[in-house]
Amino acid sequence: AQSVTQLDSHVSVSEGTPVLLRCNYSSSYSPSLFWYVQHPNKGLQLLLKYTSAATLVKGINGFEAEFKKSETSFHLTKPSAHMSDAAEYFCVVSSFTGYSSASKIIFGSGTRLSIRP
Amino acid sequence: GAVVSQHPSWVICKSGTSVKIECRSLDFQATTMFWYRQFPKQSLMLMATSNEGSKATYEQGVEKDKFLINHASLTLSTLTVTSAHPEDSSFYICSARATGSSKETQYFGPGTRLLVL
Repeated sequence: AQSVTQLDSHVSVSEGTPVLLRCNYSSSYSPSLFWYVQHPNKGLQLLLKYTSAATLVKGINGFEAEFKKSETSFHLTKPSAHMSDAAEYFCVVSSFTGYSSASKIIFGSGTRLSIRP
Repeated sequence: GAVVSQHPSWVICKSGTSVKIECRSLDFQATTMFWYRQFPKQSLMLMATSNEGSKATYEQGVEKDKFLINHASLTLSTLTVTSAHPEDSSFYICSARATGSSKETQYFGPGTRLLVL
């Protein structure tokens, strides 16, 4: 069984300070993990993904995440927040054992990131 | 690359009418597409998995006769909300996975906002 937990429903940081959005997962198979960002009334944009290659994954807009198997975590970080980073962020876990369409992805509940001037 | 479009972007309809939403992969072929529903300030809920040339697989609790899915080609899936009621008002988002892709990456459309009066 798969699950994903985003530990904070809302995170608020000052512009220019680091961002940490936490995500823990559970998966019966080797998981693929993703972070997506959703701006208000918009669709989802892929920030980064982990698919069993390097454990430190760099994404767009200065974001990165580290896959830690021992901690079953995939936290999202950014060294310096920008006002445009204010959005909803979703951590996603997927098990993909082949080309079967039976694989599914599970969304976390989301973390709303607010940036203070 | 990997662009997914949805049409319409928003629709307002009267209760009892049917609404069709299109999801297209613009620059890649997608054997599998997914339909999600998102309520305000909540995460995405997978409704069904749409497979080209075969019947869709619905998640538990989703009425297949209410939400008709057709995936007639490798670039197009449609979701028809039949006899829509106000409780069907929501943000519907589709995603597509590239055919033959060994990576579990889904590309999301911009979403369709449905308001049933």
